[in-house]
Amino acid sequence: KAGVTQTPRYLIKTRGQQVTLSCSPISGHRSVSWYQQTPGQGLQFLFEYFSETQRNKGNFPGRFSGRQFSNSRSEMNVSTLELGDSALYLCASSPAGLLPYEQYFGPGTRLTVT
Amino acid sequence: QQQVKQSPQSLIVQKGGISIINCAYENTAFDYFPWYQQFPGKGPALLIAIRPDVSEKKEGRFTISFNKSAKQFSLHIMDSQPGDSATYFCAASSANTGNQFYFGTGTSLTVIP
Repeated sequence: KAGVTQTPRYLIKTRGQQVTLSCSPISGHRSVSWYQQTPGQGLQFLFEYFSETQRNKGNFPGRFSGRQFSNSRSEMNVSTLELGDSALYLCASSPAGLLPYEQYFGPGTRLTVT
Repeated sequence: QQQVKQSPQSLIVQKGGISIINCAYENTAFDYFPWYQQFPGKGPALLIAIRPDVSEKKEGRFTISFNKSAKQFSLHIMDSQPGDSATYFCAASSANTGNQFYFGTGTSLTVIP
């Protein structure tokens, strides 16, 4: 099976802009979670989607949003970018709705905000 | 508040030695404890995971030891190899938190030949 894919892999944006990141989960996986990874804060949970519904949300401002499509692919959007949003954004997919279940991570999207 | 505390921050081990990384948690509702390995420029890769109904789980050179009463778990890497040099993260989750994982701060492991 192909692993989790994320596009784009690298992105450079200017403060104030918005950005959309995409994630395709492993075939058959229905749950997609997003994490932000920074050297200072480590890996922090953003949100999780299951069957097109947001099931859980981390402690991030409303500028961070996401959605999931009927084919389980997911996107996350960050509006009004700030310098502190520079990070590696990771998507992880899980095989079933049974909680908690193993998560398989993609390679991430490296976002740089200038 | 850090839900999962990981130590040490960095670790240097000789080839063939045993690498030990420790994690501690507070939330007794946690019932799933995975370990991830991350190489530079890559996403974390699931190594091994344990649920609290067992005290130890072994997969190849990797072993998780789990102490429910102490709320601690650890990763042991036997016969450490230079290719094991990476950052290791512990994590914890429970059905109560959806599929949200709480990660430790990571341990940078260097295995010297």
